[in-house]
Amino acid sequence: AQKITQTQPGMFVQEKEAVTLDCTYDTSDQSYGLFWYKQPSSGEMIFLIYQGSYDEQNATEGRYSLNFQKARKSANLVISASQLGDSAMYFCAMRGSYGNKLVFGAGTILRVKS
Amino acid sequence: DAGVIQSPRHEVTEMGQEVTLRCKPISGHNSLFWYRQTMMRGLELLIYFNNNVPIDDSGMPEDRFSAKMPNASFSTLKIQPSEPRDSAVYFCASSFAPGSAYEQYFGPGTRLTVT
Repeated sequence: AQKITQTQPGMFVQEKEAVTLDCTYDTSDQSYGLFWYKQPSSGEMIFLIYQGSYDEQNATEGRYSLNFQKARKSANLVISASQLGDSAMYFCAMRGSYGNKLVFGAGTILRVKS
Repeated sequence: DAGVIQSPRHEVTEMGQEVTLRCKPISGHNSLFWYRQTMMRGLELLIYFNNNVPIDDSGMPEDRFSAKMPNASFSTLKIQPSEPRDSAVYFCASSFAPGSAYEQYFGPGTRLTVT
């Protein structure tokens, strides 16, 4: 079974600064995928970034990067140059080797201050 | 592409009534997922389909919940009879598998309130 832990219920960051949102995972699968989603106050779930367990390079998508440390079983999301529009709930999720369902963490609320 | 379409966006009903939530996945996607989001339990997978076939329904809370996918472009989640504890936001998501990431694309959600 997969488990995702997000230990930061809430985070504040100053506009234009970088912020790291923590995610640790637990699985016995050798092959798995890690995802980050953003949920703004409007409620929709927006896919941000993906990292495969065998990917050697950390994933990047624009201002988003995933700091993948396999030995530590962590998959932290780094947002560079924060913008006010980044204020939202962020979910880390995981897919195991079998099937393609996702297990989600509890989420971290990010507030960007001007 | 129009994205995942869900209807209705909001539903208010009385306890005991039947509720049907609808979902149209992204064209070409062959996996469909139903999630429920509440403050207490977070985001939970209820059921998912591959190629219209239910694969894992272990998250369906009770026999009052049922889901169908009669074809590749339509799915329903039905609650009968509804109870106040069913109040939540219900998301439908779709993905293409096999794919490199199998990332899921979510619909806007249906906010269900059972009084």
